[in-house]
Amino acid sequence: SQQGEEDPQALSIQEGENATMNCSYKTSINNLQWYRQNSGRGLVHLILIRSNEREKHSGRLRVTLDTSKKSSSLLITASRAADTASYFCATVPSGNTPLVFGKGTRLSVIA
Amino acid sequence: DAGVIQSPRHEVTEMGQEVTLRCKPISGHDYLFWYRQTMMRGLELLIYFNNNVPIDDSGMPEDRFSAKMPNASFSTLKIQPSEPRDSAVYFCASSLYGGSGNTIYFGEGSWLTVV
Repeated sequence: SQQGEEDPQALSIQEGENATMNCSYKTSINNLQWYRQNSGRGLVHLILIRSNEREKHSGRLRVTLDTSKKSSSLLITASRAADTASYFCATVPSGNTPLVFGKGTRLSVIA
Repeated sequence: DAGVIQSPRHEVTEMGQEVTLRCKPISGHDYLFWYRQTMMRGLELLIYFNNNVPIDDSGMPEDRFSAKMPNASFSTLKIQPSEPRDSAVYFCASSLYGGSGNTIYFGEGSWLTVV
């Protein structure tokens, strides 16, 4: 079963705009990760945020985590056409089990 | 450094044929994962290994699927006999450690079409 659910399923924006994607999860977590998948490629790790962190930055990426609402958001600022990809959140439902991924948000950045 | 290497990248096979997908994880990584991705079901974990030992295969759809890891640098996922509903992208991934705090490194996937 899915642990994380991304929202929206698809997002289309103009180059230069900001893109926000959300992730909700079901159980308590130690941390949450975001991955990107370009068309026809494997997933690539973007950023990890720990449960005791509320916000984390990496370049044009900003991730927030609200453990009380069991939700996270990924913000990409000043988007570029090269940001066009699917974005996934991933968590561990319990213990030492592997990451479980959501179905992702498909982001299209139009030049 | 080489990443996770998968082969073949694309395979088209007829229903009933045996399919073998191969994976070479990143050297030194203790964990190896097989995922399957479809539009309908998203990314599903099929099985994972720790130090070459299968830990959890509860995600393997049925007995037609089997996976092995004979050594630290090689794993196979076999489907026998294949069916059209097995058409998907199969990803192999590896990580240094287990647990939620570890980055998983994915291969480029094996695109399987069963006709």
